[in-house]
Amino acid sequence: KNEVEQSPQNLTAQEGEFITINCSYSVGISALHWLQQHPGGGIVSLFMLSSGKKKHGRLIATINIQEKHSSLHITASHPRDSAVYICAVTLNTDKLIFGTGTRLQVFP
Amino acid sequence: SAVISQKPSRDICQRGTSLTIQCQVDSQVTMMFWYRQQPGQSLTLIATANQGSEATYESGFVIDKFPISRPNLTFSTLTVSNMSPEDSSIYLCSVAVQGGLANYGYTFGSGTRLTVV
Repeated sequence: KNEVEQSPQNLTAQEGEFITINCSYSVGISALHWLQQHPGGGIVSLFMLSSGKKKHGRLIATINIQEKHSSLHITASHPRDSAVYICAVTLNTDKLIFGTGTRLQVFP
Repeated sequence: SAVISQKPSRDICQRGTSLTIQCQVDSQVTMMFWYRQQPGQSLTLIATANQGSEATYESGFVIDKFPISRPNLTFSTLTVSNMSPEDSSIYLCSVAVQGGLANYGYTFGSGTRLTVV
């Protein structure tokens, strides 16, 4: 069993829909990261969370430390949001442990 | 946050040859990492590039196959040696910047998409 599990693996949506991607982890962590990978392969760091909730534009990330669960929400989704979204955690080290990613396609 | 310039962005190589990937960071960073992402898979850490000393390799990766240089705190190279089609992957470098206590923020290079034929 992976230490970081994401769901769903694939997600399609119509433009404007509200999207939720979930991440569960089984280890004690120091921080959780949400990353976005575009088709070319480059990765952008969206959020780093150790508690609570963060918002940036149409993106919202939440984490529940007790339940070992995080969600990434996208409001008013747009085709340019189409990407792979990756959840990753750090333990008490500098190394990331990655989830397998959620492939999101938003259609106009 | 740090900005990374990674090159080449993609390459198609013949089996048996080697390819060197470069990452240049716009600021000095202590921790730099090299990852591989095989098709349809998540990222796997190859090694931590250490400035002035040998890289620290993860299980399953060896220096002869993936030699790494880190001559200073802003630059590193990863070489994929004696390539075979199984080496076809996206290779990414990443740096970590401490954001407080044990929390690190990460910046990634734009990736190198390697196809071995």
